[in-house]
Amino acid sequence: KNEVEQSPQNLTAQEGEFITINCSYSVGISALHWLQQHPGGGIVSLFMLSSGKKKHGRLIATINIQEKHSSLHITASHPRDSAVYICAVSGGMGNSGGSNYKLTFGKGTLLTVNP
Amino acid sequence: NAGVTQTPKFRILKIGQSMTLQCTQDMNHNYMYWYRQDPGMGLKLIYYSVGAGITDKGEVPNGYNVSRSTTEDFPLRLELAAPSQTSVYFCASSLAQSGGQFFGPGTRLTVL
Repeated sequence: KNEVEQSPQNLTAQEGEFITINCSYSVGISALHWLQQHPGGGIVSLFMLSSGKKKHGRLIATINIQEKHSSLHITASHPRDSAVYICAVSGGMGNSGGSNYKLTFGKGTLLTVNP
Repeated sequence: NAGVTQTPKFRILKIGQSMTLQCTQDMNHNYMYWYRQDPGMGLKLIYYSVGAGITDKGEVPNGYNVSRSTTEDFPLRLELAAPSQTSVYFCASSLAQSGGQFFGPGTRLTVL
């Protein structure tokens, strides 16, 4: 079974700061997902990536397949970015029998951005 | 499109009661999933379906049942509620095997 570890567990930042959340996993994967869960509980998919880097607005996600590591960056953070950020992986040996559609989730990183 | 909808939003059950959590998606997605989220833990897969008439167990299926008679609907049944089933339940769907998943708003269930 793939183990997904996120760090830090909790992160407090001041508005405008550059933020990095890390995710590491134990065995090869077909894709890595970053999701956002707002205080109201809803979960939104931010990125799905299998190599390189993706950018959407102020959010950037990178993945290093060799090191089994991904980072989520938020530039010019804002209080509305306050949420739990969840890393999940799919596919690969040792992860749900290699299924691309079954996800293994990290425990999440609680980000609080203060004004 | 409404996306993925779940009902109810909240429910309190007594030990031993039964209930069905409803999940519907209007995106014509073949893949659907049920997860539970416990405090401080990552989401765990309960059951999933790769198409109408096909379901399979996930990581934590004990105490639950599902059915998938249509592409749109994927209800989750709790037969004999136990306090250990107190959790937030999320339904999700995806179009492709390797596609991103769309999540419903969740159902907060408390078993007393």
